Amino acid sequence: DGGITQSPKYLFRKEGQNVTLSCEQNLNHDAMYWYRQDPGQGLRLIYYSQIVNDFQKGDIAEGYSVSREKKESFPLTVTSAQKNPTAFYLCASNPGIRGNTEAFFGQGTRLTVV
Amino acid sequence: GNSVTQMEGPVTLSEEAFLTINCTYTATGYPSLFWYVQYPGEGLQLLLKATKADDKGSNKGFEATYRKETTSFHLEKGSVQVSDSAVYFCALNYGGATNKLIFGTGTLLAVQP
Repeated sequence: DGGITQSPKYLFRKEGQNVTLSCEQNLNHDAMYWYRQDPGQGLRLIYYSQIVNDFQKGDIAEGYSVSREKKESFPLTVTSAQKNPTAFYLCASNPGIRGNTEAFFGQGTRLTVV
Repeated sequence: GNSVTQMEGPVTLSEEAFLTINCTYTATGYPSLFWYVQYPGEGLQLLLKATKADDKGSNKGFEATYRKETTSFHLEKGSVQVSDSAVYFCALNYGGATNKLIFGTGTLLAVQP
């Protein structure tokens, strides 16, 4: 089945550590996105990529980094510069500027700082 | 800028009650509009969509009509079930070169038996 796979489902980080969240899709989509969700809040866009080897900052990019070396993969690194990283992280994709504009989501990764 | 405003929750209803969750948007031009649903601990699933004015999206008994004159996309269901309990998000996307979804803050729906 086609879809988006995020891993791990739960992740624990110590203070000062960098961690990387995985996002893989087999939908052949050009565009991929990372959102952050905090309790009782909506989704805030961290980074997005419309095409391989290119990405743009979203609304809350500080303390995060991404890469887009392959069409299928869009990993997110939460760096030690992110002061409040505990949140639910959602990866999404859509066909891109040529296709339909709905997005498909993974199951999310819950990151907790310990 | 572009934005989406949803009614605040939680919305608490009894089973078989009528549901309305209000959504209005601010945007130039004509974006596509979406409703997504999120069950506890999961990602978002597309519930329905509408791509142009006066379109009605529908799925699983839920409906929403794209109203350009009132810039609204209210979600309705005639008879809710306990299994409809979830968080509902309204969103818009222009597609094209911008191609990113802008979400409302979400509305928690709790349906009691």
